[in-house]
Amino acid sequence: AQSVTQLDSHVSVSEGTPVLLRCNYSSSYSPSLFWYVQHPNKGLQLLLKYTSAATLVKGINGFEAEFKKSETSFHLTKPSAHMSDAAEYFCVVSEFPGGYQKVTFGTGTKLQVIP
Amino acid sequence: DAGVTQSPTHLIKTRGQQVTLRCSPKSGHDTVSWYQQALGQGPQFIFQYYEEEERQRGNFPDRFSGHQFPNYSSELNVNALLQGDSALYLCASSLDGRAYEQYFGPGTRLTVT
Repeated sequence: AQSVTQLDSHVSVSEGTPVLLRCNYSSSYSPSLFWYVQHPNKGLQLLLKYTSAATLVKGINGFEAEFKKSETSFHLTKPSAHMSDAAEYFCVVSEFPGGYQKVTFGTGTKLQVIP
Repeated sequence: DAGVTQSPTHLIKTRGQQVTLRCSPKSGHDTVSWYQQALGQGPQFIFQYYEEEERQRGNFPDRFSGHQFPNYSSELNVNALLQGDSALYLCASSLDGRAYEQYFGPGTRLTVT
């Protein structure tokens, strides 16, 4: 069965310090993994994606994520937080059991950036 | 290049009524998926349309139905509305019946009183 666990519902960092948002997944297939960001009253924007190529994935706005199969993790990082990074972040797993796609969202991590 | 658009932006309905939400996919995309996002939750998959057919469905009752038109735009219909249907409804478009990369619209905020 496919599932996604975002280990922290809220993360608070100071501006200019590193960001780490944790995501663990389970999948019976070779999944694709994504991180999306949602600013208040806005739709979801794709930050980055892993689709079985390089395990270290670079995304927009300085975000990165590393796919670690042995740990079933796909944590999102950024070296230095900016005020504009304050938003909700969703880890997403996608797989194709039986030829049809199944997409599962995590419950989200709300990132607060303190000036 | 227009992204995914949804209408209306906000909607208020009464229990028992019916509602139709609309989505136009990103230019060149032929697949539309619908999600329900309750307050404080992650989006939940409702169903996906490709080639004007419902390809797969999440764990939602038959009160939720949809349609895809030849121009790839889509509608989500919800009958016999319940207060629990209050949520942000998101439409996402992608290519070729797959969603390696989905583009999301801004959503329709539905409030059921």
